[in-house]
Amino acid sequence: DADVTQTPRNRITKTGKRIMLECSQTKGHDRMYWYRQDPGLGLRLIYYSFDVKDINKGEISDGYSVSRQAQAKFSLSLESAIPNQTALYFCATSDWAGNSYEQYFGPGTRLTVT
Amino acid sequence: DQQVKQNSPSLSVQEGRISILNCDYTNSMFDYFLWYKKYPAEGPTFLISISSIKDKNEDGRFTVFLNKSAKHLSLHIVPSQPGDSAVYFCAASSKNYGGATNKLIFGTGTLLAVQP
Repeated sequence: DADVTQTPRNRITKTGKRIMLECSQTKGHDRMYWYRQDPGLGLRLIYYSFDVKDINKGEISDGYSVSRQAQAKFSLSLESAIPNQTALYFCATSDWAGNSYEQYFGPGTRLTVT
Repeated sequence: DQQVKQNSPSLSVQEGRISILNCDYTNSMFDYFLWYKKYPAEGPTFLISISSIKDKNEDGRFTVFLNKSAKHLSLHIVPSQPGDSAVYFCAASSKNYGGATNKLIFGTGTLLAVQP
């Protein structure tokens, strides 16, 4: 079984709809992240959480919100989707262990907003 | 402002030859660098990393070189194999970036195609 799972894997939605992307992990990591990938722009950080009570905005948080329901679950919401939120979304986890910066990624959710 | 840059969107090499992927950064606070590989329909997977106290790190066919004065790192793959065909992202981080958050700043990626 995958260590980091994302649901749904693909989603098409209409402008103005609310949508939630979910992420679960079995790695036991405290830190979780949401990124979006756009062609030519790499991966950009939307939100991150270092534990259930700690939520932080990343570089592109406008239009998004998150919820850390448990250590293993971190969901991303688009309250009112717009077409420029069409992108590939990745969840990632990491464990603060000395000098380790490595993050582990889920398989991604391809979101299309029409 | 793109703090981590991969100026080559794509690279094509012959099987068995060396692949060299380049990455430049602008923030001198970065002290740890990583390379990730991404296949279509999959998430990025960690490949190799290097701390700023080193100038080279090797893992099998993969070697990362860091030139701090030039703010440049490169990933060498020798010999290249068709299974190496993927998008490669470099990423940078720092204990002191954004309050020791260990956030990763990613480059835009380079698509490597290894021709049989």
